[in-house]
Amino acid sequence: QSALTQPASVSGSPGQSITISCTGTSSDVGGYNYVSWYQQHPGKAPKLMIYEVSNRPSGVSNRFSGSKSGNTASLTISGLQAEDEADYYCSSYTSSSTYVVFGGGTKLTVL
Amino acid sequence: EVQLLESGGGLVQPGGSLRLSCAASGFTFSSYAMSWVRQAPGKGLEWVSAISGSGGSTYYADSVKGRFTISRDNSKNTLYLQMNSLRAEDTAVYYCAKDGTSGSYPYWYFDLWGRGTLVTVSS
Repeated sequence: QSALTQPASVSGSPGQSITISCTGTSSDVGGYNYVSWYQQHPGKAPKLMIYEVSNRPSGVSNRFSGSKSGNTASLTISGLQAEDEADYYCSSYTSSSTYVVFGGGTKLTVL
Repeated sequence: EVQLLESGGGLVQPGGSLRLSCAASGFTFSSYAMSWVRQAPGKGLEWVSAISGSGGSTYYADSVKGRFTISRDNSKNTLYLQMNSLRAEDTAVYYCAKDGTSGSYPYWYFDLWGRGTLVTVSS
């Protein structure tokens, strides 16, 4: 069982917006602004999409945005495109002895 | 070109050892903390270990503490993971990952990943 809780799957049609949630505790998501999001296509390495809750690396589309409220972080993808279909993982620093925790991943399907 | 290239994976028996390497290029290696992240077949990501840019500080997940050792050779731009007492549950693709911000200590997000190397622990 993963330390951070994500929905197993979400779906949306091209052009729509979707939001993926990532729920933790005050020891991780709620306690620090070290939340990041990764996109992973099948057979590929993960790609950083959002870091420190809401910052977007250069080269990442502004259709991707991140936010946090309490112990839950969220990734929103607007204007869905076919190439957005992938697995998405959230991650957070944690004050526990294991330093970094990931969510179980969310499979995004673009209908 | 900015890249990370892992090597050293393979098939090993339970209780055995393996050493992974990650060759870095295209950035000032010593300025960044580095991590290993693994992914079991069909499963999610699991952070394994990190090391500061100087190599003076190391960090481990509870699941590998006491069995795995992370190290780096900044003169060779190479990261290592020595894995001992391997178990079936260590079977995974192991990714080398670069910290997203330069500094003395990790910033706990990863902006560059290698392609990964597969470690299979089985008799």
